[in-house]
Amino acid sequence: EVQVVESGGGLVQPGGSLRLSCAASGFTFGNSAMSWVRQTPGKGLEWVSTISPAGGNTFYADSVKGRCTISRDNSQNTLYLQMNSLRADDTAVYYCAKIHFENNKYYHFVYWGQGTLVTVSS
Amino acid sequence: IVMTQSPATLSVSPGERATLSCRASQSVSINLAWYQQKPGQAPRLLIYGASTRATGIPARFSGSGSGTEFSLSISSLQSEDFAVYYCQQYNNWPLTFGGGTKVEIK
Repeated sequence: EVQVVESGGGLVQPGGSLRLSCAASGFTFGNSAMSWVRQTPGKGLEWVSTISPAGGNTFYADSVKGRCTISRDNSQNTLYLQMNSLRADDTAVYYCAKIHFENNKYYHFVYWGQGTLVTVSS
Repeated sequence: IVMTQSPATLSVSPGERATLSCRASQSVSINLAWYQQKPGQAPRLLIYGASTRATGIPARFSGSGSGTEFSLSISSLQSEDFAVYYCQQYNNWPLTFGGGTKVEIK
C-alpha cells in the first residue's frame, strides 16, 4: 500500500524557517520524482517544487525560489522542503506528492499525502 | 500557463450528467490531468493525458480535449462524486492548476 506522510508543519513567525519532511512507502522511492504542492483557501492549489529521482535536478515556483530548498534522502525514503524567510502568504497546507516521471519529463501527480499545515503569523 | 475552470460551482442532481470545463491560456497538447478533492482530503488523480483514467477510477468519469479546451464528464453522478475538481497542466514549467469547480447536490 502506498503511503505518503508529511510532517514538520506548524506556527512560525514571519521571517522564520521550517523544514517539512515526507516519509514515503509502498513504491520505489529512489526511482520516483517527488514534489511539494500547497493549498490555500484563497489561491487554490499551487505547485511549489519538484526533484528528480536522484536529486540532481530541482525545480521551483517563482514564489518560493531563493527561499526554499527541496532535497531527498533515498536511503531513508524521505523528501524534505527547507523553507526560509517565511511570509504570511506562505500559509497553506503543504502536500507531498509523487509525480510521474518518464523519459526525463514530468507529468501528473500520482499519489498525495494528507498534507501538513504551515501557518506564518506573529 | 493560466488554467481557467468553469463554472465555479455546478449544481447537479444525483444520477444526472455533469460536464466541467478547463481552458488553458496557451496550448498544452494533451498534457492535462484532472483531480478530485473532498473536504479534509488530499486531491486524488482521476484523469491524465487528457483522457486516460487513473487506476481504480470508475468508467463514469471521462476526459476529453486537446490544445486549450478540455472537459471532464461524470455520466451519472453518485453521492461520492460531490466534490471539488481541479485541472492541471504539465506541458510547461511552472506546473499550474485551475481554480476548481465545486460539484454540489442540487
